[in-house]
Amino acid sequence: AQSVTQLDSHVSVSEGTPVLLRCNYSSSYSPSLFWYVQHPNKGLQLLLKYTSAATLVKGINGFEAEFKKSETSFHLTKPSAHMSDAAEYFCVAGGATNKLIFGTGTLLAVQP
Amino acid sequence: DAGVIQSPRHEVTEMGQEVTLRCKPISGHNSLFWYRQTMMRGLELLIYFNNNVPIDDSGMPEDRFSAKMPNASFSTLKIQPSEPRDSAVYFCASSPSSTPYNSPLHFGNGTRLTVT
Repeated sequence: AQSVTQLDSHVSVSEGTPVLLRCNYSSSYSPSLFWYVQHPNKGLQLLLKYTSAATLVKGINGFEAEFKKSETSFHLTKPSAHMSDAAEYFCVAGGATNKLIFGTGTLLAVQP
Repeated sequence: DAGVIQSPRHEVTEMGQEVTLRCKPISGHNSLFWYRQTMMRGLELLIYFNNNVPIDDSGMPEDRFSAKMPNASFSTLKIQPSEPRDSAVYFCASSPSSTPYNSPLHFGNGTRLTVT
């Protein structure tokens, strides 16, 4: 069965420092993988998507994620956090099961 | 494009009342989803339409919940009668793909439902 694990429920960083949000997936086939961001009182917005074309995926707002099949990981990174990055981030897997599997989310706090 | 539009943004109602949530997907999108988000359960898929036809309604909690998509530009989610445990944020999302599980979803801003 397909599953998504976000390893941290909360991450706190200082403005200007790097961001790392971890995601591991479990799948018997090569999945499609997404990262979404949810700001307070808003819907989810797509940050980036992995489609097997390239293992390093660049998204909006300076975020990127690297697909590592050997580690079954799809961690989200950003070199320098901005106050506006404070939000909840969801790792999502999709594919042959015809279901989108959402992780439980990671709440990112950015300290001034 | 205006994006996915949901109404109302907030709904407060008393237990036992009927509640209707509305969604206008992005024009040209042929897949539509209803999700429910709570602190305890996270995001749950309630129902998925493709070309206005319900494809997967296995997530609909019980018979009190019903969803319709009479045309490509409008969908409703109805709860009758409502109960306090239905309190949640309900999201509508649409996709231009007929295989949306491999494609990004476009979410509305949600309807926050409170049942007292």
